Amino acid sequence: QSLLTQPPSVSGAPGQRVTISCTGSSSNIGAGYDVHWYQQLPGTAPKLLIYTNNNRPSGVPDRFSASKSGTSASLAITGLQPEDEADYYCQSFDNSLSGSSVFGSGTKVTVL
Amino acid sequence: QVHLVESGGGVVQPGRSLRVSCAASGFIFSNYAMHWVRQAPGKGLEWVAVIWHDGSGTYYGHSVKGRFTISRDNSKNTVSLQMDSLRGDDTAFYYCARGAYGESGDYYDSWGQGTLVTVSS
Repeated sequence: QSLLTQPPSVSGAPGQRVTISCTGSSSNIGAGYDVHWYQQLPGTAPKLLIYTNNNRPSGVPDRFSASKSGTSASLAITGLQPEDEADYYCQSFDNSLSGSSVFGSGTKVTVL
Repeated sequence: QVHLVESGGGVVQPGRSLRVSCAASGFIFSNYAMHWVRQAPGKGLEWVAVIWHDGSGTYYGHSVKGRFTISRDNSKNTVSLQMDSLRGDDTAFYYCARGAYGESGDYYDSWGQGTLVTVSS
């Protein structure tokens, strides 16, 4: 059971906007820890998509954006493209128990 | 550019040991913390372990603590994960990832392609 909960799947038509939520608690996102997002295309390793709440590494299109509020964060994809079909994971730090990095449960984005 | 290549995966019996390694290139290895992250087939990501840039600190996820040991050799630009007392639920792709420092913990800005460890009799 992941400490960060994401919807198992979201879908949208090309050009549409989709959002993925990442719901945590007072021991992780709610404690003020930063949230990062990763994209995992089918059969490949994860790739950093957004770091420190809403920063895009070089080469990541600006149709990807993220935000954080309270105990949750969200990733938005505007102008959905077929190549955006992938799994997306949020990641943060959790200070409960031994304290460690934690990933969200993952969300499969399907482009209809 | 940053290049991380894992090796050492394979099939191992429950209770046995296996060592996976990651060769790094394209950056000053001794400046970065290195992590292992795993992913069971068809499942999500799980952070496994971290070693600080100089090897002075190591931390583990609760599911592997006491069984796995992370180490690094900065002269060879390699990081390794010694996995002992392996169990079926350790079956996963094991990725090494470079830690990028964030104010509230590392994030992972480069990943290897992964190596598959299968624990089965």
